Amino acid sequence: AQKITQTQPGMFVQEKEAVTLDCTYDTSDQSYGLFWYKQPSSGEMIFLIYQGSYDEQNATEGRYSLNFQKARKSANLVISASQLGDSAMYFCAMRERLHFGNEKLTFGTGTRLTIIP
Amino acid sequence: NAGVTQTPKFRILKIGQSMTLQCTQDMNHNYMYWYRQDPGMGLKLIYYSVGAGITDKGEVPNGYNVSRSTTEDFPLRLELAAPSQTSVYFCASSYSMNTGTSGSVIYEQYFGPGTRLTVT
Repeated sequence: AQKITQTQPGMFVQEKEAVTLDCTYDTSDQSYGLFWYKQPSSGEMIFLIYQGSYDEQNATEGRYSLNFQKARKSANLVISASQLGDSAMYFCAMRERLHFGNEKLTFGTGTRLTIIP
Repeated sequence: NAGVTQTPKFRILKIGQSMTLQCTQDMNHNYMYWYRQDPGMGLKLIYYSVGAGITDKGEVPNGYNVSRSTTEDFPLRLELAAPSQTSVYFCASSYSMNTGTSGSVIYEQYFGPGTRLTVT
C-alpha cells in the first residue's frame, strides 16, 4: 500500500520569502509519480507540478519547484518569492496503479499555507 | 472549454433521501473519478471509470453508485443518505502522455469545482 505524509498542518510565511512544504511517501513500486495540488479557499483543486520517479531533473513550473530526493522518498514543494495569493491548502499526491492500467491519486492530509503581508 | 463541471454546488439532504451528483467533462478524457473530501483531510476515491460502460470501486464506495453511459458524463448516486456522507465531492478526469525525455507517463487529473453536501 502507498502512503503520503505531510507533517506540517499549517505554516505562516512572510510575503516574498521562499517556502518549502514537506512531503514524504512510501511505495514499493519502481515507477510512480508525485503531484502537488493547490486548494484555495474557494475549494477548487489546481494542479501545480509533477515529478516522475525516473525523471533525472527536479521539476520546475514558474515559481514552483519540486525538491525530489528519491533515496529519502521525499518530494518537497518549494515556492519562491511567495505572494499573498499563495495562501491555500497544498496537497501532495502520488499516483497509484489500479486495474486496467489506470491509476488514482493517493493524497496526503495537506498543509495550510498562510502568507503574511 | 468548460473543463469539468459539477452540479449542484451545494445541497442539503435529510437522512434516507437520495440524490444524484452530476459531472460532465468536455475534454474527451477517457478516465473519470469521484472523490470525497472530509474536513481537514485529503481526497479519497469513491469510484472511477476508464471509459464508457466501465466502472470500478475505489477505496470508499459503500453507499454510492455510478454509471458511465457516455464519455462526457459520470453521475454519482447516493441512494440512502447518511450523516457520514456529509462531505465535499469532487469529480475529476484525466489523460496520459509521455514526457519525451524520460518516458514518464503523466496522469494529470482535472478537477471540477466540487459539490458541498450536508446530510442532517
